[in-house]
Amino acid sequence: SQKIEQNSEALNIQEGKTATLTCNYTNYSPAYLQWYRQDPGRGPVFLLLIRENEKEKRKERLKVTFDTTLKQSLFHITASQPADSATYLCALDVNQGGKLIFGQGTELSVKP
Amino acid sequence: EAGVAQSPRYKIIEKRQSVAFWCNPISGHATLYWYQQILGQGPKLLIQFQNNGVVDDSQLPKDRFSAERLKGVDSTLKIQPAKLEDSAVYLCASSLERTGGSGEQFFGPGTRLTVL
Repeated sequence: SQKIEQNSEALNIQEGKTATLTCNYTNYSPAYLQWYRQDPGRGPVFLLLIRENEKEKRKERLKVTFDTTLKQSLFHITASQPADSATYLCALDVNQGGKLIFGQGTELSVKP
Repeated sequence: EAGVAQSPRYKIIEKRQSVAFWCNPISGHATLYWYQQILGQGPKLLIQFQNNGVVDDSQLPKDRFSAERLKGVDSTLKIQPAKLEDSAVYLCASSLERTGGSGEQFFGPGTRLTVL
């Protein structure tokens, strides 16, 4: 069956450290993978998009990798700050037409 | 630019009642999406419109849910009759794409529905 799995447990890290979140999928062949941030009571906010032929993408303190052989994406936040505390969602574009399948999200808490 | 607008923000109804949600996407965005997000889960796509045509409604429970996007702008999502398991946040999103392809989706704040 088709599945998308993110770290099921909340991630607690110390300010200044690097947070690494995992997104694994099975039985999908996405051309694109997106990462979103969601704060309580709000809609998701787009962070990064990576294509299947890209190994890595960076934006300021954010880095995403995409390994289509392992069927895995890693999302890194370097020099983390308490303001980075939120739920992070990965999403696969399964038909190159904008239909996104979301993982369940990983809650990140950055302690001062 | 103004973001995606949704109303109401909160709604409490009893099971078997009907409810409607409204969405106004970002001006010029051709594609509009409705998602259902149950507590502790990621959003699940219910329906995708491109302009006023339906692109994908494979996960819309059509016996009780309906959606329309008249004139390719605003959209409404209706549930009739509601069940307890419909309690969730209903998110509307829009994106610029006119010819498909993955792009950034802009989400509204959502409508939190509680069915008693």
